[in-house]
Amino acid sequence: QQQVKQSPQSLIVQKGGISIINCAYENTAFDYFPWYQQFPGKGPALLIAIRPDVSEKKEGRFTISFNKSAKQFSLHIMDSQPGDSATYFCAATHSGGYQKVTFGTGTKLQVIP
Amino acid sequence: DTGVSQDPRHKITKRGQNVTFRCDPISEHNRLYWYRQTLGQGPEFLTYFQNEAQLEKSRLLSDRFSAERPKGSFSTLEIQRTEQGDSAMYLCASSLQGREPEQYFGPGTRLTVT
Repeated sequence: QQQVKQSPQSLIVQKGGISIINCAYENTAFDYFPWYQQFPGKGPALLIAIRPDVSEKKEGRFTISFNKSAKQFSLHIMDSQPGDSATYFCAATHSGGYQKVTFGTGTKLQVIP
Repeated sequence: DTGVSQDPRHKITKRGQNVTFRCDPISEHNRLYWYRQTLGQGPEFLTYFQNEAQLEKSRLLSDRFSAERPKGSFSTLEIQRTEQGDSAMYLCASSLQGREPEQYFGPGTRLTVT
């Protein structure tokens, strides 16, 4: 059962443009939503995270928007750069208990000059 | 370097052989997780340790898989009688209880079963 759905599967953006990745979750017990960035051959690296009591969180060029009623959240990468080319995973976890992370299927982002 | 480390980075083995992977978490982290990632997919949870106790195992972890964390520091993941379907990236992550549930991942061990 896929509990976190992610789209699009792949994305091509021009340098300087805005990259937008969308996710939706089903389990209302989730209360912490991290985004991970993964380069080929590397492990996922934590990028930014949000709790559902906040509608937006911004760190540098990365912004998470969160819609609790719709159970949806998205990552916006402003002024996208070629170095941002990677696979991005949205994820969800429950901060109580074992905190295992449930990942989306990933979005492969390519930023072209 | 105080990040999560994993060894080996790559392992090629023949079907039916046993393999063992090691994970060294961030030193002060008491929680340790193993995930498996196949090509084009997100990581999937396998098992979780809090200190030396293994507290949860996914149904993905068949009886050919065993994990240990004997002194609450490093952990090992062993796969017995490997099958071609075991080919994947095995990722280890760690976190600190009582903080935000942020997990920090190691570089992974890429297993290829021929």
